[in-house]
Amino acid sequence: EPEVTQTPSHQVTQMGQEVILRCVPISNHLYFYWYRQILGQKVEFLVSFYNNEISEKSEIFDDQFSVERPDGSNFTLKIRSTKLEDSAMYFCATGWAGKDEKLFFGSGTQLSVL
Amino acid sequence: RKEVEQDPGPFNVPEGATVAFNCTYSNSASQSFFWYRQDCRKEPKLLMSVYSSGNEDGRFTAQLNRASQYISLLIRDSKLSDSATYLCGDTGGFKTIFGAGTRLFVKA
Repeated sequence: EPEVTQTPSHQVTQMGQEVILRCVPISNHLYFYWYRQILGQKVEFLVSFYNNEISEKSEIFDDQFSVERPDGSNFTLKIRSTKLEDSAMYFCATGWAGKDEKLFFGSGTQLSVL
Repeated sequence: RKEVEQDPGPFNVPEGATVAFNCTYSNSASQSFFWYRQDCRKEPKLLMSVYSSGNEDGRFTAQLNRASQYISLLIRDSKLSDSATYLCGDTGGFKTIFGAGTRLFVKA
């Protein structure tokens, strides 16, 4: 069964450092999403991306965050200057239909900011 | 965007029991709903879509009540392997808003 692949599975960084989280979508999927889940809390929407543009973003997704699909394969989430409160599990999700669709999630990157 | 509310539980049920979860949503314009299952520290996995006409998949039945703005999930003949957190998802446009999840523990 096709799956969404995320790397790394764990990332430890110092506060103020930049991190890049990577995702390889399912091959025929065109819509890409990032979600995060702080330990013990709900899964929160960050951003959706289609055709090299952001479709929607949440209030969480401020200027510290950016997304891109640099090589037509990977879909990345960059956090420019990490804060302690950025510590969370970050999930990439993909879909093929766009609006109002079901999501397929990767196994996540656990980010720990020290 | 308005919220999605779920009873966090936990629901503790014996094997073979029938258990039901509800999820309320406040955006009357919402179009699509899904139930996802999340195991501890794992990614959410799609369980089933939710339609006004109801949707049944084996032991699982999902229902949407637009008038009262809630969706439900019924699990019959619970198995130990059903122990997980169940998330409802309100999908509109290019994002899904999740509830905080309902924890289910099925005991032998």
